[in-house]
Amino acid sequence: GAVVSQHPSRVICKSGTSVKIECRSLDFQATTMFWYRQFPKQSLMLMATSNEGSKATYEQGVEKDKFLINHASLTLSTLTVTSAHPEDSSFYICSALIPNRSPRGYTFGSGTRLTVV
Amino acid sequence: DAKTTQPTSMDCAEGRAANLPCNHSTISGNEYVYWYRQIHSQGPQYIIHGLKNNETNEMASLIITEDRKSSTLILPHATLRDTAVYYCIVSPYSGGYQKVTFGTGTKLQVIP
Repeated sequence: GAVVSQHPSRVICKSGTSVKIECRSLDFQATTMFWYRQFPKQSLMLMATSNEGSKATYEQGVEKDKFLINHASLTLSTLTVTSAHPEDSSFYICSALIPNRSPRGYTFGSGTRLTVV
Repeated sequence: DAKTTQPTSMDCAEGRAANLPCNHSTISGNEYVYWYRQIHSQGPQYIIHGLKNNETNEMASLIITEDRKSSTLILPHATLRDTAVYYCIVSPYSGGYQKVTFGTGTKLQVIP
């Protein structure tokens, strides 16, 4: 239980275009989701926290107008990378807080490899 | 900043126990210790968590020192599929809302 599905797993886009990444909780309601970015050989860096029905909270240094987060329902959060550039190429991972019925705390999506050419 | 420190890398022979240490000297009383691992190009996978007692599940054992300032994750019989980066994290309470900050983790290489 407590599965998060992330889609797409890989995407290649042209510089200047926008890309949307979806994160769905399949068997639970996710009131809080987190978005991470991971560059090669580095750890996960938290980008933002999204709460259902409210604006996302961004970490320092993350441009909120570039990385649009929408958490419109209890099972779906989306991250849109707008006007993507090659330096945005990275591995993006979502995570959801599991409700108290589970002791596991957090569950993670399988990640999206974004390549901007 | 991450509240844990771990060795950058470790090797372990296949079939042997892998013992991964973690220092969390500033842990506070309501914080749990969580362990996750990340296999290359995948999302992190939950392994185990604990507060102060030692814990065991089908994947691993977690040994927490009495002062709770450090812990060790034990993979009893490492296999090649256990090659991954292992992250030790402290978080206020199981299921509670607290953003998770990842440190650099330990890259475990299981050797045939």
